[in-house]
Amino acid sequence: DAGVTQSPTHLIKTRGQQVTLRCSPKSGHDTVSWYQQALGQGPQFIFQYYEEEERQRGNFPDRFSGHQFPNYSSELNVNALLLGDSALYLCASSLADRGRKLFFGSGTQLSVL
Amino acid sequence: ELKVEQNPLFLSMQEGKNYTIYCNYSTTSDRLYWYRQDPGKSLESLFVLLSNGAVKQEGRLMASLDTKARLSTLHITAAVHDLSATYFCAVLEYTGNQFYFGTGTSLTVIP
Repeated sequence: DAGVTQSPTHLIKTRGQQVTLRCSPKSGHDTVSWYQQALGQGPQFIFQYYEEEERQRGNFPDRFSGHQFPNYSSELNVNALLLGDSALYLCASSLADRGRKLFFGSGTQLSVL
Repeated sequence: ELKVEQNPLFLSMQEGKNYTIYCNYSTTSDRLYWYRQDPGKSLESLFVLLSNGAVKQEGRLMASLDTKARLSTLHITAAVHDLSATYFCAVLEYTGNQFYFGTGTSLTVIP
């Protein structure tokens, strides 16, 4: 049973560019959440997708957007990259019920130069 | 906004010793989670605590929850090197789906 898979594992971009990160949830899961983890910090919630819609959003600017596909996979898009966007981006999948345990992928390490 | 504080942030302990990591949170919640993260790796779920007074144990780790005090503890018994990692607590906001993570406790177990 495949767990949560993310791609790519590493990315290097320059300021102002745009990036797309991808996530496939664990088999049987229908909800995908995205988190940003800066170095030495805990993960911060970006948003959650369920039934192809953004169900909840954290305190992130509109430069961060996402999408969920009918097969439950998801993308995170970040426009107009800033140096401060450099972080590990984690995708977590779960079942839709509130409070279900999150299963995390290995993350995408984004470096913005 | 819900705030989650962990202490200590860094913990260096000798093998065989006991210690406790504390997780305080600022507003009402009914669910608390503990995760482990090894360097360069993702987060692995350790415990899910769903009610006041809940206690869960797995090997040398035991987690508890006091919702009235808004406090959870992760107790390490007779530490071994394999427990070296960063431990995070995460709190689910009471009415939504957002998890709030603490800043983590970096644990190093010294032989």
